Order: sequence, then C-alpha cells, then structure tokens
Amino acid sequence: GNSVTQMEGPVTLSEEAFLTINCTYTATGYPSLFWYVQYPGEGLQLLLKATKADDKGSNKGFEATYRKETTSFHLEKGSVQVSDSAVYFCALSSNKLTFGTGTQLKVEL
Amino acid sequence: GAVVSQHPSRVICKSGTSVKIECRSLDFQATTMFWYRQFPKQSLMLMATSNEGSKATYEQGVEKDKFLINHASLTLSTLTVTSAHPEDSSFYICSARVSRRVAGVADEQYFGPGTRLTVT
Repeated sequence: GNSVTQMEGPVTLSEEAFLTINCTYTATGYPSLFWYVQYPGEGLQLLLKATKADDKGSNKGFEATYRKETTSFHLEKGSVQVSDSAVYFCALSSNKLTFGTGTQLKVEL
Repeated sequence: GAVVSQHPSRVICKSGTSVKIECRSLDFQATTMFWYRQFPKQSLMLMATSNEGSKATYEQGVEKDKFLINHASLTLSTLTVTSAHPEDSSFYICSARVSRRVAGVADEQYFGPGTRLTVT
C-alpha cells in the first residue's frame, strides 16, 4: 500500500535559518505529492503540490521537488520566520490522501 | 475560492449524547467529502469517504453505526457521533474534493478548519 515517511520533530530553528523537512514515499503508479501546513488549533492548508516527476511546487518561499528516482519530496525554505511555526504534513494522493505523521516546526527569535 | 467550513468549531457534550458536525463547501461543488480524525500530535486518520447521494465508505476499524455520515447535497456532509464517550474526544476534520465538472485539479482536497469535540 501507499505510505509516507517524514522526519520526526520537533524541529527548532532560529529566525532566518534554512529549513529542510525530509519526506519519502512508497506508492504504486504516479501519485501527486503535497505539503500541508497546520497552524495551532486550525485545520490543514495546502502549502504546495507537485503532480509529476521533476515538478517543483512552491509557495510563500517554500519549495519541494518531486524526485521519482529517490521517491522523495523534501520541503525547503531559505529563511524561516517565527510565523512559519506550525506542523507540516507531507502527503500523497492516488484515490485518497495518505499523510505522513507530521513534523512540528518551531522558529524562535 | 475553494473554501470549506465546519460547524461547530468547538463542542462539549455529555457522555451518552449525540453530536452532529457539519461540513460545507462554500464556493464549489464537492462530489466527494472525507472525514478525518486527528489525535494530539499525530497525523490525520481517514475515517470515511462520503459520496453525494450514496452511502459512505468507512475505513477499517471505524464503526459506521457510531459515526453516521450523511452527504445529502454537493455542498454539505454531516458527521454524527452517536452515544458519545470520552474516548471519542478528538479533533475532527473534513475535506472536500473538487468535482471533476469544476475547473481545477481533480484530486486536490480542501480542508475545513476542524471541530474540537470534548466528551465529558
């Protein structure tokens, strides 16, 4: 079956630091890949997505590239802000969404 | 566009009572809605898939008689937690998938803000 593995958190960074959250997946076929963000007490918001190999999704300074050869979709941001503190979920979609366990990011001044 | 609302956002009920949670797609038609449950510091667990006008498909281990799902229209799905108990306390999140008849990515889901249920 499909599965998503992401790095365990929490990840604690200083403001303006570089962020990488690793995500790898196992799937049959050619799923779409997503990153969702969940702020405290809220539901999930789509952050970015990629629908085929080598696609790069980007939004709000975050980027992730669909790497079929390494079955990865790592999330990166060059300079994080305190407002980026949230839980980030990697997910893949075939007929339904399969989520990773989430990675909590804490950004401090 | 693509906004999903949930009501209520927070509910506290007594053990043994039933609670209904509504999920609405505000500006698009959703042929499919999903209900998830999220435990503290954990990922989302899919409970059921709800298709408009038909019975919901429940994931393994989810009691369909306890979690009643109705999807009566293209913009509304409801989840009723019947005879709630403290172990049902959780964060319930719905999502809606854009109808293939609407422009956009067919497999993209839009999530509601969630409902915090506390059973005392």
